[in-house]
Amino acid sequence: QLQLQESGPGLVKPSETLSLTCSVSGGAISRSPYYWDWIRQPPGKGLEWMGSVYWSGATYYKPSLRSRLAISVDTSKNQFSLKVNSVTAADTAVYYCARMDMTHVFDIWGQGTMVTVSS
Amino acid sequence: SSELTQDPAVSVALGQTVRITCQGDGLRNYYASWYQQKPGQAPVLVIYDRNNRPSGIPDRFSGSSSGNTATLTITGAQAEDEADYYCNARDSSNDHNYVFGTGTKVTVL
Repeated sequence: QLQLQESGPGLVKPSETLSLTCSVSGGAISRSPYYWDWIRQPPGKGLEWMGSVYWSGATYYKPSLRSRLAISVDTSKNQFSLKVNSVTAADTAVYYCARMDMTHVFDIWGQGTMVTVSS
Repeated sequence: SSELTQDPAVSVALGQTVRITCQGDGLRNYYASWYQQKPGQAPVLVIYDRNNRPSGIPDRFSGSSSGNTATLTITGAQAEDEADYYCNARDSSNDHNYVFGTGTKVTVL
């Protein structure tokens, strides 16, 4: 059974770069036709789709985040990553990685990891 | 980008039916999917492609769509259905982007 697991620092200083990795187990990340996504949720608020990466490296970003976002994939390690630069307190959230299938739904999610932006 | 609007909260008596709506122009072109999120947990897909349930989701969950509105119906709500529910669909202005609804808190009385 496919599982996703987020990892990375839980505390990031303002203006620095937030970096997270999602490790995929139980299946190959290069298996079509899945996309691999990042979704976040600020404390007490709703879900926000951030962006997608395909195993080939093709990426799609939420327009309002595009200038600060980078999502990449490493098929050799079976993982994909998120970088958000120039973070502020507004980037404090639980960050989820998820798989999107061919019907454009997020069918498998990681457990989420809390990232706090604070000095 | 498109927006998806949901009522912030609804309540339902145990065993009764509750309908959760999601409105947005993008729903005229794309089906909504629905996610259930319990406190401290990751969201779980409950309905996709308007009215399909993943394996393991009880058949008391169903979906429908008309015009710019998608609806998630829980028929015979159980205590364990108390959760936040989010709709999601492709962005009508960019179909490689996705939008979540504002979320609905369902309380089972």
